[in-house]
Amino acid sequence: KAGVTQTPRYLIKTRGQQVTLSCSPISGHRSVSWYQQTPGQGLQFLFEYFSETQRNKGNFPGRFSGRQFSNSRSEMNVSTLELGDSALYLCASSPNRQGDGYTFGSGTRLTVV
Amino acid sequence: KNEVEQSPQNLTAQEGEFITINCSYSVGISALHWLQQHPGGGIVSLFMLSSGKKKHGRLIATINIQEKHSSLHITASHPRDSAVYICAVSSNTGNQFYFGTGTSLTVIP
Repeated sequence: KAGVTQTPRYLIKTRGQQVTLSCSPISGHRSVSWYQQTPGQGLQFLFEYFSETQRNKGNFPGRFSGRQFSNSRSEMNVSTLELGDSALYLCASSPNRQGDGYTFGSGTRLTVV
Repeated sequence: KNEVEQSPQNLTAQEGEFITINCSYSVGISALHWLQQHPGGGIVSLFMLSSGKKKHGRLIATINIQEKHSSLHITASHPRDSAVYICAVSSNTGNQFYFGTGTSLTVIP
């Protein structure tokens, strides 16, 4: 069965722009969570969606937002991009909220110039 | 102080050696995860543990809930095991995730 698909794989944006990243979970998975990975901070939790509702949010500014659609696909949006937003953005899907069987996507590498 | 601490930060081993990576955490958890990340970014979830021990091939993961400690063991290490291994915990207060900084493993042929 298909894995977690993230698009695009690579993205270059200019400071001040906004960006939308997409994550398609494994079929049947209802939980999608997003993470940011930078060399300085490591992996950090952004937010989790379950059944179209944001269930949890990490310590990120309001410029970072997301949503989940009825087919469980999720999008993450970052507005007013800053240089420090350059990172690998990963999403993971799980069948439920108990965290069983997390599967990660390959990530979107965002570079802000 | 980080909620999740891993050691060692870097590890170099000869092929065939037995490897242990340690993880300590300070929060109440619903589960602990061991993740593997190869160069290029892709992350694979190796184990999810809430108690005891799990084995998958040459990989073994153990957790001691009372001591808030987990270990990941690799038996008969191989160069293809070279990767960053990350310990993560999901808290028992709202499904928040905390990550260790990772252990970079290099296995030399």
